[in-house]
Amino acid sequence: DIVMTQTPLSLPVTPGEPASISCRSSQSLFDSDDGNTYLDWYLQKPGQSPQVLIYRLSHRASGVPDRFSGSGSGTDFTLKISRVEAEDVGVYYCMQRLDFPITFGQGTRLEIK
Amino acid sequence: EVQMVESGGRLVRPGGSLRLSCAASGFNFSTYSMLWFRQAPGKGLEWVSSISATSRYIYYADSVKGRFTISRDNAKTSLYLQMNSLRAEDTAIYYCARTYFWGRGTLVTVSS
Repeated sequence: DIVMTQTPLSLPVTPGEPASISCRSSQSLFDSDDGNTYLDWYLQKPGQSPQVLIYRLSHRASGVPDRFSGSGSGTDFTLKISRVEAEDVGVYYCMQRLDFPITFGQGTRLEIK
Repeated sequence: EVQMVESGGRLVRPGGSLRLSCAASGFNFSTYSMLWFRQAPGKGLEWVSSISATSRYIYYADSVKGRFTISRDNAKTSLYLQMNSLRAEDTAIYYCARTYFWGRGTLVTVSS
């Protein structure tokens, strides 16, 4: 199984400041057959189901503000928020879907200072 | 608008069975693989099972293999999860999902 490791697990941020979450996979998520990297980022806001922010490494989902960006390659990935807003609180998960079983990072809880 | 609505979750005794349903709308259901995920109370996300568009390919997490069965009815745009031999550790919110879209979930509680 592909193990996903997120850091940090807790992230207090002042509104207007940037934030960054790291995710590392135990093997490369790059699919040489189609050139895609199968790493997605989800945000689960309090009391809600997870919503996709970034898919296939760096593609921002429809309706997601451009302050969110995804980057990385191979086994190391980063989600960046350029300027955190109050509505960004929740738990962020990275997820790999290159191979079954689909696996998630432990989650990073973002809170506003 | 893409929408998935889960139903069927309830309190069930250990060893019991339950069938979850997911009604999908707003997209061409018969062309998409579908998935079930779950989230135990206060815990992270866990993938449970996936089924390809034509039901040809089916996958299960080791934790549910042999006890859960995923199926779909493309004519009814519906996804199902038959859960047998339920255990306390199966207690969770179960989410129906398509690539990038998740439903709101249905709560399954396994307790005596």
